[in-house]
Amino acid sequence: DAGITQSPRHKVTETGTPVTLRCHQTENHRYMYWYRQDPGHGLRLIHYSYGVKDTDKGEVSDGYSVSRSKTEDFLLTLESATSSQTSVYFCASRGGANTEAFFGQGTRLTVV
Amino acid sequence: QQPVQSPQAVILREGEDAVINCSSSKALYSVHWYRQKHGEAPVFLMILLKGGEQKGHDKISASFNEKKQQSSLYLTASQLSYSGTYFCGTEHGGATNKLIFGTGTLLAVQP
Repeated sequence: DAGITQSPRHKVTETGTPVTLRCHQTENHRYMYWYRQDPGHGLRLIHYSYGVKDTDKGEVSDGYSVSRSKTEDFLLTLESATSSQTSVYFCASRGGANTEAFFGQGTRLTVV
Repeated sequence: QQPVQSPQAVILREGEDAVINCSSSKALYSVHWYRQKHGEAPVFLMILLKGGEQKGHDKISASFNEKKQQSSLYLTASQLSYSGTYFCGTEHGGATNKLIFGTGTLLAVQP
């Protein structure tokens, strides 16, 4: 299995506070993705990266920012957490086009 | 832009067959299929590429209709282990390799 880990695995935070989730992969994969999973919506793409310092928005990017300063790390930041951002967040990575994506174990974020 | 999956949910008995469909409003470059067990991460099943090539699972088959921008996943002689939520993921070409997933299909296989 590909080495992709997310931290933290669980987090409870208060409305209005900034939160950063980390995704770390040891496969030297070029492409990395952040999704959120909510009932009835499946997996929705927040942001993705196609190389170091190269990122782009997904379908639900409002309120989120990302950074990728190294191949192995992809950070997702909620600038000011809101209750609507309570969700399970999955990170994924893959080596190239037409290759499988490997997912991290997910981060359950609760904003109170 | 999220691909649409149907049905949303299906309940089967062991040994029965099921078909899960995925359709996109944009031209497809490839289609991925993943299965997620409750409380776990999605796991890769297969990729279907333009031109007909497939890579992945040897007990699950799928089709890819490029003209209709649709894919179908075929689960035959279902087993209890097939239970989970199935997601299709779509790529539409381009250098950034954006990968978008559908809303999911919940499959429950009962004894």
